[in-house]
Amino acid sequence: QKEVEQDPGPLSVPEGAIVSLNCTYSNSAFQYFMWYRQYSRKGPELLMYTYSSGNKEDGRFTAQVDKSSKYISLFIRDSQPSDSATYLCAIPRGTSGSRLTFGEGTQLTVNP
Amino acid sequence: NAGVTQTPKFRILKIGQSMTLQCAQDMNHNYMYWYRQDPGMGLKLIYYSVGAGITDKGEVPNGYNVSRSTTEDFPLRLELAAPSQTSVYFCASSYSRDPGDFNTGELFFGEGSRLTVL
Repeated sequence: QKEVEQDPGPLSVPEGAIVSLNCTYSNSAFQYFMWYRQYSRKGPELLMYTYSSGNKEDGRFTAQVDKSSKYISLFIRDSQPSDSATYLCAIPRGTSGSRLTFGEGTQLTVNP
Repeated sequence: NAGVTQTPKFRILKIGQSMTLQCAQDMNHNYMYWYRQDPGMGLKLIYYSVGAGITDKGEVPNGYNVSRSTTEDFPLRLELAAPSQTSVYFCASSYSRDPGDFNTGELFFGEGSRLTVL
């Protein structure tokens, strides 16, 4: 079983829509969860991270963790064409947690 | 502020050739990584380094070698290139204060090196 799995999409939505991006993970011991955003032909960049369960909000973005079902979500409100990118969930692994295991990534297109 | 710099950005190799992908960071980060990204497959860790002189294998190390002689540089060597090594390669760095300090997971990535093996 993969440590983290993500629906690769692609996902296409109209501007202003609420977007839900999701990942599942296998190990209930995982505590930190991250979302990276990757624009076309660029390297990924950290968007948000959360610790344990609950929600974390940053502007139009909300990261949510449900540890009981081992499910993590990223919600984007009032989506904009500039949000068009690939979104990757990631979980820190290794002694210091700095080695990340990534999901497959979901390609999102927001149409004007 | 350059961050993580990768060279070359593009390269075409013939089967059996060798080459080195260069990576340099100017943020004084102790951790460095090489990932490869194939369509629909996310990022897979090839090798990583926790400091100068220390390297370790990731998920997919076969066919690659690395060295870390300085804090700044982490080159990735491909020996005997094969079509399966056609991919986009990303170098990244991060700063980790203490083992077990999981709140240091932010990786800073370069812009990638696109390699095609024909």
